[in-house]
Amino acid sequence: DAKTTQPPSMDCAEGRAANLPCNHSTISGNEYVYWYRQIHSQGPQYIIHGLKNNETNEMASLIITEDRKSSTLILPHATLRDTAVYYCIVREQTGANNLFFGTGTRLTVIP
Amino acid sequence: DTEVTQTPKHLVMGMTNKKSLKCEQHMGHRAMYWYKQKAKKPPELMFVYSYEKLSINESVPSRFSPECPNSSLLNLHLHALQPEDSALYLCASSQDPPYRGFSSTDTQYFGPGTRLTVL
Repeated sequence: DAKTTQPPSMDCAEGRAANLPCNHSTISGNEYVYWYRQIHSQGPQYIIHGLKNNETNEMASLIITEDRKSSTLILPHATLRDTAVYYCIVREQTGANNLFFGTGTRLTVIP
Repeated sequence: DTEVTQTPKHLVMGMTNKKSLKCEQHMGHRAMYWYKQKAKKPPELMFVYSYEKLSINESVPSRFSPECPNSSLLNLHLHALQPEDSALYLCASSQDPPYRGFSSTDTQYFGPGTRLTVL
């Protein structure tokens, strides 16, 4: 798996956009970027994934740089319920379907 | 229904006890997973089942014994655990298991976990 690097923690004001960066400089051409989050004492929750193009769903947007060496998860209007640990994961190209979680970013949304 | 359920929610056991964790999904998923998560650490994969057969064992000690009785159920049998095995145990499922030479990009859905304390 390609390694990912994320800042250990970030704060965001409620109602503002939260921009969570992730570096994955060794990503391979066919590897996807996945984002999950884990609210305290709950199981991880899938947010979004992408390969090359930017993606948007009801939860978030994913911006992947043209060289694919980094990406940004955007929560457009953060709420207190978005306080969680956010994991950026680069998926294995072949073989197992398991997820290798890095240390993630602890996002705190401040009222 | 995109729910994975796990029972019990909490479990306290002694080192000589035998207990089981249960996981259930009714999404028709053919891959199921066990992860272990220690406090303030990311989840770590333990086992993967594909089409009810064990496909990955991440060098987990034999005191953890997984079982997949059918496509909807996944158990984790516990015996002679140590206090350091105390953790949150997470179950997940996904639609398509991996095939040799191909990755599956489908989403994994996680259950809420069982918080295990070994005394």
